[in-house]
Amino acid sequence: GQQVMQIPQYQHVQEGEDFTTYCNSSTTLSNIQWYKQRPGGHPVFLIQLVKSGEVKKQKRLTFQFGEAKKNSSLHITATQTTDVGTYFCAGGNDYKLSFGAGTTVTVRA
Amino acid sequence: DAGITQSPRHKVTETGTPVTLRCHQTENHRYMYWYRQDPGHGLRLIHYSYGVKDTDKGEVSDGYSVSRSKTEDFLLTLESATSSQTSVYFCAISDSGRRASATGYEQYFGPGTRLTVT
Repeated sequence: GQQVMQIPQYQHVQEGEDFTTYCNSSTTLSNIQWYKQRPGGHPVFLIQLVKSGEVKKQKRLTFQFGEAKKNSSLHITATQTTDVGTYFCAGGNDYKLSFGAGTTVTVRA
Repeated sequence: DAGITQSPRHKVTETGTPVTLRCHQTENHRYMYWYRQDPGHGLRLIHYSYGVKDTDKGEVSDGYSVSRSKTEDFLLTLESATSSQTSVYFCAISDSGRRASATGYEQYFGPGTRLTVT
């Protein structure tokens, strides 16, 4: 079945620095979604990418979908303490998603 | 946040007992999902529903059953709980009518149920 892999599993970042988390699929995806889960909370939808090579920005977050639609990345610039949490990518076909294991981000002030 | 509630929020039960978790939505969304979350595994799909009385298995369905007799309710049952089913369980909903994403199939999650099987 479809598998979605994320790296790294953990990311320890100094406040103000940038970092990137990566998502790779074993199959071509029709779309990729990103979610954020704060500690003790539930996953919250951030964004969806559907087009090959698509790039979308949300303030300091930049999301990219690969040309072959098998990989994606999330880049965060000038990390803040509010960025703490676990970021999940999820690939799928319409209503059914396969989630990656997530990248858990901690921030050093 | 979408109108999704889960009950109970916390439960401790003994091995071999039956357990039912409830997910209730007020959004009239067509699709409902049950996931379990364990460290290092992310969110794994247990079962999902694409309509009343229409359900299908996910990747980790063994030991679990579901029912959906009404649009708003999706029940997850552990027939005979085992320690390996200790986890945090999330319900989610989606529908193509939502427009936060290009396709509308973004998922909205409930607050979760922490289940401990001793």
